[in-house]
Amino acid sequence: DTGVSQNPRHKITKRGQNVTFRCDPISEHNRLYWYRQTLGQGPEFLTYFQNEAQLEKSRLLSDRFSAERPKGSFSTLEIQRTEQGDSAMYLCASSSSKGGDTQYFGPGTRLTVL
Amino acid sequence: AQSVTQLDSHVSVSEGTPVLLRCNYSSSYSPSLFWYVQHPNKGLQLLLKYTSAATLVKGINGFEAEFKKSETSFHLTKPSAHMSDAAEYFCVVTLPWNSGNTPLVFGKGTRLSVIA
Repeated sequence: DTGVSQNPRHKITKRGQNVTFRCDPISEHNRLYWYRQTLGQGPEFLTYFQNEAQLEKSRLLSDRFSAERPKGSFSTLEIQRTEQGDSAMYLCASSSSKGGDTQYFGPGTRLTVL
Repeated sequence: AQSVTQLDSHVSVSEGTPVLLRCNYSSSYSPSLFWYVQHPNKGLQLLLKYTSAATLVKGINGFEAEFKKSETSFHLTKPSAHMSDAAEYFCVVTLPWNSGNTPLVFGKGTRLSVIA
């Protein structure tokens, strides 16, 4: 069990640039989630996938954010035209609908927008 | 809508003394409840979960939590704190799928400090 992995671990970008993050879930997990955590707060749900289908999106996910899971395995989260308010830790989690649905988290990608 | 309230933003204990981290929840359904721990520069790790089986749930590293429906509480305890327990702890609620709500709802966290 290699766990959930995320790349990159850190990303520094200038305001207005686009960034893309990748998440590789635990191999047999069919559900994948994205959360955002700002300093001093708990993670907040952004979106989730069951296999390749994006089933739910939070109102936090503005039009500048897009997530994909094209083959039901890894997922990408893209932020277009980044703003300073996008600076946060972006967390990915995965779970199995057949395994009690407990979510296991990756180490996160810390985004800093200058 | 479901929510959790962690009653203390910071708890400080001496090594070897008991730990109590308090959590109250609000839910229209029968909830599943979790405690996650987050060490600095590390990912969230599941400590324990309650899913309507036994009300006293034992987790990793000697932690346990008791689900009290009458008090809508799910407090986390440990008999004796270790230095390695210093971290941020999150109480989390979720609902059964198809309920129309978000998968996990986190509390704001409680930072546990352990003094030697």
